[in-house]
Amino acid sequence: QLQLQESGPGLVKPSETLSLTCTVSGGSISSGSYFWGWIRQPPGKGLEWIGNIFYSGSTYYNPSLKSRVTITVDTSKNQFSLKLSAVTAADTAVYYCARPEMVRGIIIKWGQGTLVTVSS
Amino acid sequence: DIQMTQSPSSLSASVGDRVTITCRASQGISNYLAWYQQKPGKVPKLLIYAAFTLQSGVPSRFSGSGSGTDFTLTISSLQPEDVATYFCQTYNSALFTFGPGTKVDIK
Repeated sequence: QLQLQESGPGLVKPSETLSLTCTVSGGSISSGSYFWGWIRQPPGKGLEWIGNIFYSGSTYYNPSLKSRVTITVDTSKNQFSLKLSAVTAADTAVYYCARPEMVRGIIIKWGQGTLVTVSS
Repeated sequence: DIQMTQSPSSLSASVGDRVTITCRASQGISNYLAWYQQKPGKVPKLLIYAAFTLQSGVPSRFSGSGSGTDFTLTISSLQPEDVATYFCQTYNSALFTFGPGTKVDIK
C-alpha cells in the first residue's frame, strides 16, 4: 500500500526558505505513470497546487509561485522535496505531498499533510 | 493559465435534498475535470474524474456531468455524512488547477 509522509519544520521565519520532504513507501518513486507533487491549503481556505516533478527530474510549477519554488527528487531515497523561498505569512498553510496521475490528471494518493506556520 | 470558478461558495440543504454544484473553467478543458470531497481536518478524497466517472467506492448518489467549460456535481439525496467542502480540479499541459470550493452543510 503506497504511503506518502511529509516531514520538515513546522515554523519558518519570514523571508526565509521553507523546506519539506516527502518520503514514499510501499512503492517506487521511479514509476513512469505518476508525478510527485505538492499542494497547499491555508487555514480555512482552498487547495492550491504548487508543482509536480517526474522521477526523471522534469518539473512543472504553478505560474503564480514559479519564481519561488523548487521541487527536487532523490530516487535513491525514494523522496522528493519542496523549497519555497522568501516566505511570508501568506505562505502559512497545510502542505500536502501527493501522487498526481499523468494520464488522467487526478490525485488519489495524498500524504496526511503538515502545517507550516510563517512567523517570527 | 486556466482559472476555475465554483458556485455557490456555500449552501445549506436538508437531508434528502438534491444538491447541485457548478464549476466553470476559463477555457475549454475537454473532460479533464475532477471533483474532490474534503471533510474538516481530512485529506481530500477523489469522487469523480473525467467529468462523470465515479471513483471506485464512492456512493452512487454522487454524479458528475458537463464538458468544455461548464460542469456540475450532483448529490441526488444529501446525507449527513456529505457535509464537506467540494473542490473541482482540472489538468492542462501538466498543470493542475483547483476551484475555490463549495461548502455544503445540513439545514
